[in-house]
Amino acid sequence: AQSVTQLDSQVPVFEEAPVELRCNYSSSVSVYLFWYVQYPNQGLQLLLKYLSGSTLVKGINGFEAEFNKSQTSFHLRKPSVHISDTAEYFCAVSAPDQTGANNLFFGTGTRLTVIP
Amino acid sequence: DTEVTQTPKHLVMGMTNKKSLKCEQHMGHRAMYWYKQKAKKPPELMFVYSYEKLSINESVPSRFSPECPNSSLLNLHLHALQPEDSALYLCASSQEVVGQGLTEAFFGQGTRLTVV
Repeated sequence: AQSVTQLDSQVPVFEEAPVELRCNYSSSVSVYLFWYVQYPNQGLQLLLKYLSGSTLVKGINGFEAEFNKSQTSFHLRKPSVHISDTAEYFCAVSAPDQTGANNLFFGTGTRLTVIP
Repeated sequence: DTEVTQTPKHLVMGMTNKKSLKCEQHMGHRAMYWYKQKAKKPPELMFVYSYEKLSINESVPSRFSPECPNSSLLNLHLHALQPEDSALYLCASSQEVVGQGLTEAFFGQGTRLTVV
């Protein structure tokens, strides 16, 4: 079975400061990893994903994440945040489940609040 | 076109009503999903359709009835709901590659459902 842990439920950060949102996963099989962002009353938008290859993944809006297999982590970073980055961020993992169907498993989310 | 369209955006219904949520995608994806999201929580998987066949039903009460009329459309029929069913209902779609995991899921903007 797969699971995702987002260690911080809330992260406040000042505008133009760097930020890191933490994500750890557990799985007995190879997985794909994702970060999604959700603005208030909106659906989920894909920020970036790791499928294979380079462990440093660059996404939209200046975000990047690094896949670390030994630490089973996939932390999200941005060197300088903007007010518009205030949102909920979800880490997710996918792997074929026991029925062979595809599924996404989400972490509990991290609320990023950018302070002016 | 990487859009998943959900209608309606908002829905208020009484506990004795029957209503339907609709979802449409034209990306040629063969897997479609319904998720339920309560406030400040991650999305929870309800149903997965793979090649128009129901492949996952996460023990959802029978007052929720999914339907996949064709590969582009997904409906969720609602009947005799309870106030605790009030939530954001999200539809998603993905390319289906059996046994290879879900490599990317596209989400709609959701339907905000309120049961009174």
